[in-house]
Amino acid sequence: DIQMTQSPSSLSASVGDRVTITCRASQSISSYLNWYQQKPGKAPKLLIYAASSLQSGVPSRFSGSGSGTDFTLTISSLQPEDFATYYCQQSYSTRIFTFGPGTKVDIK
Amino acid sequence: EVQLVQSGAEVKKPGESLKISCKGSGYSFTSYWIGWVRQMPGKGLEWMGIIYPGDSDTRYSPSFQGQVTISADKSISTAYLQWSSLKASDTAMYYCARHRRGELLSAFDIWGQGTMVTVSS
Repeated sequence: DIQMTQSPSSLSASVGDRVTITCRASQSISSYLNWYQQKPGKAPKLLIYAASSLQSGVPSRFSGSGSGTDFTLTISSLQPEDFATYYCQQSYSTRIFTFGPGTKVDIK
Repeated sequence: EVQLVQSGAEVKKPGESLKISCKGSGYSFTSYWIGWVRQMPGKGLEWMGIIYPGDSDTRYSPSFQGQVTISADKSISTAYLQWSSLKASDTAMYYCARHRRGELLSAFDIWGQGTMVTVSS
């Protein structure tokens, strides 16, 4: 089974900061990597698919990069509404999807 | 509007059975896989399994195989997640989500609002 790890597990940042979250797969997953945002009490929301493609309606301050085993999610200028937990997910395995453990972004 | 609407919160006792639902609207329900995701209190997302309502082809995460049953009724555009004998450890929020597929695209783009299941004696 493909295992996903994320770092850091949590971070504190200020509005306007540049934030980078890393996700690593236990084996190569090409570009089959998605990023989701989840706010407290809400369902997850798809931000980035195929490692670097922005989902419709998602602000351009969010970007993704990487391929193979190492991926990053970057928020170029953190906004108040971006404080949330972020999850990566691999979709390389046929019909088997695995989430990373999550990265909580909170206010410094 | 494309949406998934889930059934309401449930409170059950250990050993009881339960079936929760996820109704799709605004798109061709039989053309997209529907997945289920568990989130235990204060914890992360866990993928449970997925079903293709068009032919009921179903796949399970090894962690959930034999623990739950996923099904669908395409005539009413509804997917289901069921337990035959609940345990306290099944207490969690459960989400359904639509799977969208394309070139290099394989992601859950539409999510239900979640169903909270509480199992307590």
